[in-house]
Amino acid sequence: AQSVTQPDIHITVSEGASLELRCNYSYGATPYLFWYVQSPGQGLQLLLKYFSGDTLVQGIKGFEAEFKRSQSSFNLRKPSVHWSDAAEYFCAVAADYKLSFGAGTTVTVRA
Amino acid sequence: ETGVTQTPRHLVMGMTNKKSLKCEQHLGHNAMYWYKQSAKKPLELMFVYSLEERVENNSVPSRFSPECPNSSHLFLHLHTLQPEDSALYLCASSQASPVGPESSTYEQYFGPGTRLTVT
Repeated sequence: AQSVTQPDIHITVSEGASLELRCNYSYGATPYLFWYVQSPGQGLQLLLKYFSGDTLVQGIKGFEAEFKRSQSSFNLRKPSVHWSDAAEYFCAVAADYKLSFGAGTTVTVRA
Repeated sequence: ETGVTQTPRHLVMGMTNKKSLKCEQHLGHNAMYWYKQSAKKPLELMFVYSLEERVENNSVPSRFSPECPNSSHLFLHLHTLQPEDSALYLCASSQASPVGPESSTYEQYFGPGTRLTVT
């Protein structure tokens, strides 16, 4: 069965600094991969997705992610964070009609 | 209304009450999902409806009863819940392929959730 690990429970970053969130997946075939963001009191919003092709994918809000098959990773990056990026971020892998989510990484942005 | 809407946004109920959560999607999708989100745990998939038929029931207790009357609406009927059922309940929708899983099946759009507290 597929699974997702997000090793970092909580990350604090200064406004304007770069951000990288780690995601490792376990799946036998080529995965479909997603990153979602959840602001307090809200549902999940799709940031970006990887289905095939170029391993560097661009998403909304200035985020990008890179698929590395050799490392079974799909890390999310943003070059310069804004205070509004404070939220919880979820990585997900798709298979068998289902999305399996990681436990999430909470991002705090300090001024 | 756009996207996926859920009502109510907050619900407090006693263990002997019966209540229902409602989800409506305005995206023209044909698959809908219920998830449970508890603090610091991965989202738990509860139910999946594709083309108005239930295709997944992840060992969810019978005190949760889903209903999908059409492709735009999804309900979760609740009765005799337990305090550990307190959580954020999220609805999602996607465009499922009738001939097999395609990438669009997995691109799910979520509602804002219903924060449920069982007292």
